[in-house]
Amino acid sequence: DGGITQSPKYLFRKEGQNVTLSCEQNLNHDAMYWYRQDPGQGLRLIYYSQIVNDFQKGDIAEGYSVSREKKESFPLTVTSAQKNPTAFYLCASSPKHTAGSTDTQYFGPGTRLTVL
Amino acid sequence: GNSVTQMEGPVTLSEEAFLTINCTYTATGYPSLFWYVQYPGEGLQLLLKATKADDKGSNKGFEATYRKETTSFHLEKGSVQVSDSAVYFCALSEGFGNNRLAFGKGNQVVVIP
Repeated sequence: DGGITQSPKYLFRKEGQNVTLSCEQNLNHDAMYWYRQDPGQGLRLIYYSQIVNDFQKGDIAEGYSVSREKKESFPLTVTSAQKNPTAFYLCASSPKHTAGSTDTQYFGPGTRLTVL
Repeated sequence: GNSVTQMEGPVTLSEEAFLTINCTYTATGYPSLFWYVQYPGEGLQLLLKATKADDKGSNKGFEATYRKETTSFHLEKGSVQVSDSAVYFCALSEGFGNNRLAFGKGNQVVVIP
C-alpha cells in the first residue's frame, strides 16, 4: 500500500542526546515536510524539502536538522540545542507543485518524542 | 503574513446535533483552504478542500464554503455521530510556488451519545 511511515511511534531519550526521527514515503512525492505539534497548538513547520538534496527552514528550525538524500526519505534530527524537544512530530508529503495548482499534503501517523 | 484563526475552546455536542466550527484567514493572493481531521494518537487526514472563492468542499457529510468576502471557511455537518469525535484543523496554502501550509490551532470536538 502507498503511504507515509514514521518510526518509531514512541521515542524516549535522555536530555542532551541527539535523536533522529524517520520518515519514508512510497507515493513518489517530490515535497516532504516536518511539523511539530504541541497540546492546544496547531502544527508548526520545522523544515521542508521540495526536491532531493535541497531543503528550507520553516518557522521553528532552531535546534533541528534534516537531510534529503533520497526522494522517499526525509529524516529529522532533534539536537541537544532544541530547548524543549518533547512533542508530537508529524511528517507529510505532497506531489510536485506546479504553477497555478495546489497539492494536498498527506500525513504520516506521527512520532511522539519524550525527553527525560 | 498568512494566518488562520479558529474559534477558541473544545466543542461538545450530542449525537445528531448540528456542528459548526468557525475558521477565518488572513492571506495575500488567492490561497487554497483545507480542513484536516486528527483522531486520537494519529496523524492528520484531509477532510475537504476548496481552491477558489465560492467553491464548496464536501466529504463524509461535512461541508465548507470558501468565502472571500468574509475571509472564512467554516466547517459544518448537519448530524454528527460519536465517530466524528476528533480534532479539526483549518489550514491554508501559501501558494506562490510552494506548498507550505499555515494551520489554525485546532478544535477538539466531542460527541456524546
